[in-house]
Amino acid sequence: GESVGLHLPTLSVQEGDNSIINCAYSNSASDYFIWYKQESGKGPQFIIDIRSNMDKRQGQRVTVLLNKTVKHLSLQIAATQPGDSAVYFCAENRWGAGTALIFGKGTTLSVSS
Amino acid sequence: DVKVTQSSRYLVKRTGEKVFLECVQDMDHENMFWYRQDPGLGLRLIYFSYDVKMKEKGDIPEGYSVSREKKERFSLILESASTNQTSMYLCASSAGDSKTQYFGPGTRLLVL
Repeated sequence: GESVGLHLPTLSVQEGDNSIINCAYSNSASDYFIWYKQESGKGPQFIIDIRSNMDKRQGQRVTVLLNKTVKHLSLQIAATQPGDSAVYFCAENRWGAGTALIFGKGTTLSVSS
Repeated sequence: DVKVTQSSRYLVKRTGEKVFLECVQDMDHENMFWYRQDPGLGLRLIYFSYDVKMKEKGDIPEGYSVSREKKERFSLILESASTNQTSMYLCASSAGDSKTQYFGPGTRLLVL
């Protein structure tokens, strides 16, 4: 069946480093991907999205890369800060269900100063 | 700003009780979703709705039902709560054809 997964459940970095969070997806027909950040005790918050007709999209300190050949998605955070510590989820559109999404299991990013 | 609110942040219920979780969004969004979140399992879709009085089953609908009588409100109902329904419940909404979902703060439910 369809699934969205992340390569690592946890990632620890030093403040100021660049972070890369990876995600693999299984449905080659997926055409929309999105990253969410969830801080402790809060609901997921939208970070950035990308459509399958793009390879790269940049936001403020974040970049999402999409490699459709190997069905891989990554989120890069530049100059990681302690406030970036959170769980990060990738998601893809769910086929046959309109605008519903399939979520990965999440990667916990820990930033030490 | 989109605002999605959930009626309770924490709930403690007894096995067998009927439980109502309420979600309200203030952006006139057509689509609303209920997820549960468990450690190691990520977010799993329970039910969703694209219109008033309309509902669709997600991946794990067993033991749950939903109600959407008004566009802004989407209720999740546990007909007879069980301990395996102890979880974090998240509500989300999105507009029309948009796939960007906005989440509420979550309700942490403990069933004893």
